[in-house]
Amino acid sequence: SQTIHQWPATLVQPVGSPLSLECTVEGTSNPNLYWYRQAAGRGLQLLFYSVGIGQISSEVPQNLSASRPQDRQFILSSKKLLLSDSGFYLCAWGGVGNLQETQYFGPGTRLLVL
Amino acid sequence: AQSVTQLGSHVSVSEGALVLLRCNYSSSVPPYLFWYVQYPNQGLQLLLKYTSAATLVKGINGFEAEFKKSETSFHLTKPSAHMSDAAEYFCAVGANSGYALNFGKGTSLLVTP
Repeated sequence: SQTIHQWPATLVQPVGSPLSLECTVEGTSNPNLYWYRQAAGRGLQLLFYSVGIGQISSEVPQNLSASRPQDRQFILSSKKLLLSDSGFYLCAWGGVGNLQETQYFGPGTRLLVL
Repeated sequence: AQSVTQLGSHVSVSEGALVLLRCNYSSSVPPYLFWYVQYPNQGLQLLLKYTSAATLVKGINGFEAEFKKSETSFHLTKPSAHMSDAAEYFCAVGANSGYALNFGKGTSLLVTP
């Protein structure tokens, strides 16, 4: 069966510091991968998605970036965090091919920028 | 572009009462529709998915949803609420972009004793 991991589970970072959040998927090959952010009291905002190694699409321009160095690894980064980057970050994976595929979510990372 | 609207950011029901969470969609093509549940400090879990095979979709934990094209709705129901159903519920629609689901803003369900 497929599983998706995210770490760290929680993170407290000062403004201006760098960020690296990691997501890995097991039990599937060549999945579509997604990064979402969920701010307090708000819905889900799609940040990035990837259909393959090295292929990243950005949905919202901001100071965040994403990379996919391996088939089942998806990394969210920032060089300098802003207060507004605080939130709950969710990674998800979806199947290949079907354009309306179900997405399966990881447990999330809670980020607090102070 | 496809989108969903969830009516009511907060819904409160008594334990044992009917749960009804509303979702209306906008789509120029036959949509794929989803309901997800999120418990505090956790990721989203798929409750059910509509893919045009049947208008009444049964999901996990006793939930079901009915696709009504004439009303452009996909409301989530459960006959009898349990305390453990207290969570955030998200409706989502398959998007034209091909890879992203468009999520509603969510409905927080509170179940009172």
